[in-house]
Amino acid sequence: SQQGEEDPQALSIQEGENATMNCSYKTSINNLQWYRQNSGRGLVHLILIRSNEREKHSGRLRVTLDTSKKSSSLLITASRAADTASYFCAGGGYGGSQGNLIFGKGTKLSVKP
Amino acid sequence: GAGVSQSPSNKVTEKGKDVELRCDPISGHTALYWYRQRLGQGLEFLIYFQGNSAPDKSGLPSDRFSAERTGESVSTLTIQRTQQEDSAVYLCASSLDGNQETQYFGPGTRLLVL
Repeated sequence: SQQGEEDPQALSIQEGENATMNCSYKTSINNLQWYRQNSGRGLVHLILIRSNEREKHSGRLRVTLDTSKKSSSLLITASRAADTASYFCAGGGYGGSQGNLIFGKGTKLSVKP
Repeated sequence: GAGVSQSPSNKVTEKGKDVELRCDPISGHTALYWYRQRLGQGLEFLIYFQGNSAPDKSGLPSDRFSAERTGESVSTLTIQRTQQEDSAVYLCASSLDGNQETQYFGPGTRLLVL
């Protein structure tokens, strides 16, 4: 079963605007990761935030993690048309699992030029 | 290789036939994962290999699905007696070790069962 839930399911913005995507999860995690997927093929890892971290930056990406609310957000600043993709959050460390990540259903981001 | 590779890229088969999907992980990565992604859906975990440990098969949907891995290299996912509901993209990923660290994904195999 999927324990990560992204919100919104779809987001459409203009180039230059910021895009914020949220993720909620149900059980404890060791880390939370965000991935990007173009055209339904392979995923690309964007950023990993550990359970003892609250915020992390990577280029135009900013990720926050609130373990008390079991939620994370991904902010993409100054979006570009090339950012159009689906974005997934994935939690590591669910229920004693040793390795697999639990992925949400994703947010489909559309950035209009 | 430079990244995770999968073959074939696309596979069309008839209901009832067996299919075999292949994954070549990044050299040196001890952990390998298979996921299934139905159209418009998230990733569904299937199976996880870590070194010489027994694989975690908890995600395999039925006994028609099986996977093998030779040492820390190639893995094959086999689906026997395919059904139309098996149609999906099958994604393979590898990571340096199995501690829920960054996973590197292959391009996937798009399976269509007619």
